[in-house]
Amino acid sequence: QVQLVQSGAEVKKPGASVKVSCKASGYTFTTSYMHWVRQAPGQGLEWMGLITPSGGSTSYAQKFQGRVTMTRDTSTSTVYMELSSLRSEDTAVYYCARAQDWGWSAKFDYWGQGTLVTVSS
Amino acid sequence: QSVLTQPPSASGTPGQRVTISCSGTSSNIGSNTVNWYQQLPGTAPKLLIYSNNQRPSGVPDRFSGSKSGTSASLAISGLQSEDEADYYCAAWDDSLNGWVFGGGTKLTVL
Repeated sequence: QVQLVQSGAEVKKPGASVKVSCKASGYTFTTSYMHWVRQAPGQGLEWMGLITPSGGSTSYAQKFQGRVTMTRDTSTSTVYMELSSLRSEDTAVYYCARAQDWGWSAKFDYWGQGTLVTVSS
Repeated sequence: QSVLTQPPSASGTPGQRVTISCSGTSSNIGSNTVNWYQQLPGTAPKLLIYSNNQRPSGVPDRFSGSKSGTSASLAISGLQSEDEADYYCAAWDDSLNGWVFGGGTKLTVL
């Protein structure tokens, strides 16, 4: 069965960076796309971007351009999301979510359990 | 402020039918399909409806979706206590070149 297992909670100071991992299993890693979605406490969902595990190409939401980097390691079927220059507004649960299509036809059919990132001085 | 607009809350009694609306623009809902996600308290979102009105395997047929113009709706019939959750609509936005979500609707089963 498809599983996405994320790394544990993080506490970071303002200005620091955080790197969250998402390990995939139960399907062929390079045949899908991996998206990242975050949810601030008590708030809605916000799409951050995606990575194509096969070639490593990325597409980021305009809001996060220049601050987010998504990478992958095909040898371990793991994708990573690194967010830099953290501020308090980045405190959120970060989810990875799989999609089998690109763009408008995609549907996020499996989600990781979420990683809480807390930014506090 | 979310790009797609949903009512913040909805409610119904067991057995009732409730609908949740999602309003967008010509660059998102007006030109692309809509997905719906259900988020139970303390859990990750789950795909509920895709391509406007398709249900993934395992989703009861009590859940249905529709789209007209720049708006979409999620209907839940035969409401059950376990349907109490947050519901989000989502669509690709051609102008932003990315996915946008509604602000979410908290469904309470009275």
